[in-house]
Amino acid sequence: DQQVKQNSPSLSVQEGRISILNCDYTNSMFDYFLWYKKYPAEGPTFLISISSIKDKNEDGRFTVFLNKSAKHLSLHIVPSQPGDSAVYFCAASYNNAGNMLTFGGGTRLMVKP
Amino acid sequence: KAGVTQTPRYLIKTRGQQVTLSCSPISGHRSVSWYQQTPGQGLQFLFEYFSETQRNKGNFPGRFSGRQFSNSRSEMNVSTLELGDSALYLCASTPTVMNTEAFFGQGTRLTVV
Repeated sequence: DQQVKQNSPSLSVQEGRISILNCDYTNSMFDYFLWYKKYPAEGPTFLISISSIKDKNEDGRFTVFLNKSAKHLSLHIVPSQPGDSAVYFCAASYNNAGNMLTFGGGTRLMVKP
Repeated sequence: KAGVTQTPRYLIKTRGQQVTLSCSPISGHRSVSWYQQTPGQGLQFLFEYFSETQRNKGNFPGRFSGRQFSNSRSEMNVSTLELGDSALYLCASTPTVMNTEAFFGQGTRLTVV
């Protein structure tokens, strides 16, 4: 039972355009969501997070949107750069579970120059 | 500030053997979590420790165990290794158990032959 899903295994965008990565979840108890970027054979790097009390959080080129009624979140990268090419994971947790993160399957983003 | 340090980076073991992996969290971080990444199952939560106590455990057999020391350093042990245990094992640390971003180490690549 996958509680966090990233339905697009890969995404290709042109440099300078917007990248939109999507994530769906099923567990209503999740109240904190995170996005990580990962290169092969390395640990994930934290990008941005959002609490369930918000519907948007922005940090530079990265914006995360949360739609609680749809149990959906998305990560927008504007403008996309070739260095953004990596696998992106969304993750979710809930307060009583401490830092037990449930990860989606990941989306491979390729930004073409 | 030093990041999360995992040792060793690479390890080759034979089926049936046991292995111990080590994780030193960021200074001041008291919560350590472990994850397993495989191509088929993605990133899966193993267990979480805080103040030397296991707070949460993922859906893994009893061959997987861990502990945390008074200086917050953590070890995980896998006994009676199976080929399917070949994976990237990641450790993450956070200051507390409240919702906050987890910082990951580079991981230990375990290959079981």
